[in-house]
Amino acid sequence: SAVISQKPSRDICQRGTSLTIQCQVDSQVTMMFWYRQQPGQSLTLIATANQGSEATYESGFVIDKFPISRPNLTFSTLTVSNMSPEDSSIYLCSVEGQAWGEQYFGPGTRLTVT
Amino acid sequence: KNQVEQSPQSLIILEGKNCTLQCNYTVSPFSNLRWYKQDTGRGPVSLTIMTFSENTKSNGRYTATLDADTKQSSLHITASQLSDSASYICVVSPDAGNNRKLIWGLGTSLAVNP
Repeated sequence: SAVISQKPSRDICQRGTSLTIQCQVDSQVTMMFWYRQQPGQSLTLIATANQGSEATYESGFVIDKFPISRPNLTFSTLTVSNMSPEDSSIYLCSVEGQAWGEQYFGPGTRLTVT
Repeated sequence: KNQVEQSPQSLIILEGKNCTLQCNYTVSPFSNLRWYKQDTGRGPVSLTIMTFSENTKSNGRYTATLDADTKQSSLHITASQLSDSASYICVVSPDAGNNRKLIWGLGTSLAVNP
């Protein structure tokens, strides 16, 4: 199984600022995913990040708001830009495992925007 | 519209008791159904994965069932422990090779009391 760490684990930010969330995996993986989990809601996929190519964003999410970097096969960052209270959420990164259907998640970053 | 609905929304049981969580889905096509456990402040952890041809799958005290004809699944927890307190999320995949298309339920919040 893959071990995934995220930094920071939580943060409180002011409206209009930006926060970059880091995701580190203990093994090389091709695809990394970024999710958002708003209070009382299910997980929503923000984007898929492959090393060496532009991230693929899902409907409702744009690169200007959520820029993603994927500099190598073990690391990715998600930036939440120009934050508003509506961005208060848990942000999770995940990776696909070796076996069919496997998916591993990081512990999440709890973001509160005031 | 592809949807995954879970019931009950929340459940409280006493330690040692059994419980069953329900998942109904309208996802089509259907490839596989997954149950995840999400502890507070943690990312989801996979419990079981079932394809349309599988009726039941166990993982320790967790047993998942699937009826692809009625599009229903259940997760049965036997001899519950305090550590079972968590959110249990049903996830349906319409495409085996594409983790971008997962349809997530809202989850059932389970509290196991001593």
